[in-house]
Amino acid sequence: GAGVSQSPRYKVAKRGQDVALRCDPISGHVSLFWYQQALGQGPEFLTYFQNEAQLDKSGLPSDRFFAERPEGSVSTLKIQRTQQEDSAVYLCASSYTGQGSGYTFGSGTRLTVV
Amino acid sequence: GQQLNQSPQSMFIQEGEDVSMNCTSSSIFNTWLWYKQEPGEGPVLLIALYKAGELTSNGRLTAQFGITRKDSFLNISASIPSDVGIYFCAGAYNFNKFYFGSGTKLNVKP
Repeated sequence: GAGVSQSPRYKVAKRGQDVALRCDPISGHVSLFWYQQALGQGPEFLTYFQNEAQLDKSGLPSDRFFAERPEGSVSTLKIQRTQQEDSAVYLCASSYTGQGSGYTFGSGTRLTVV
Repeated sequence: GQQLNQSPQSMFIQEGEDVSMNCTSSSIFNTWLWYKQEPGEGPVLLIALYKAGELTSNGRLTAQFGITRKDSFLNISASIPSDVGIYFCAGAYNFNKFYFGSGTKLNVKP
C-alpha cells in the first residue's frame, strides 16, 4: 500500500486480556519497527525486524510483550495479560533499508486497558 | 535509556513569527531526525541530518546537527497556522533504534 497501515486504530481491553496489534508495512520495506508512545511523551523503541529476523528486542518492557514477522512483511505485536500501564499508542514504522531516510510511521493503535 | 532534553515544551506564537526549538543529548549521536506529529497520526519526517555541523533546509524549516554531536536545533520561519502540532527530535547511533525527545507543542495564533 501507499503507507504503513495499522489495525485496529483503537482497542479497549480489560485488564488481564491478551491483545494483538497488526502492522502492514510499505510494500518492499525490509525493516520494521515498533514503538510505544505514552500520553504526552515521545515514542520509545520496542523492537526491530529486518525481514523476518527480529534483530533487536531490547525495548520490550516485559516478557508479556511479543512481536513476530513470520514472512518478512506483516508484523503482529502481542501483549499478554494486559496491565493498565500498557495503555499507550503503539506505532509501527517501516524503512526500505533501515538506513539513511528515517522511518515512515503508521497512524498507530491506541490501546486503553481498563 | 538515553536522555534527550527537548525545549521548549510548548510555544504560543503569532502567525508570521519565527520559531526555534532544540534538543540536547547526554551522548553522541550519528543521526538526528526531526518529526512533526498531529493528533491521531503518526510522526512525519521533516528533516534528516547525518553529519556534525550539517545545516539542512526543507522549505521554511531549517535544522542543524550540532558540532559536538550532542545537540540539534530546528527553526521554522514565518510560521503559519498549519504549522501547529508537536515537533519531536530523534537521535541514533545507528539507524535501527532512535531515541525521541518529549516534544515541543507549537500553537500558532492567526
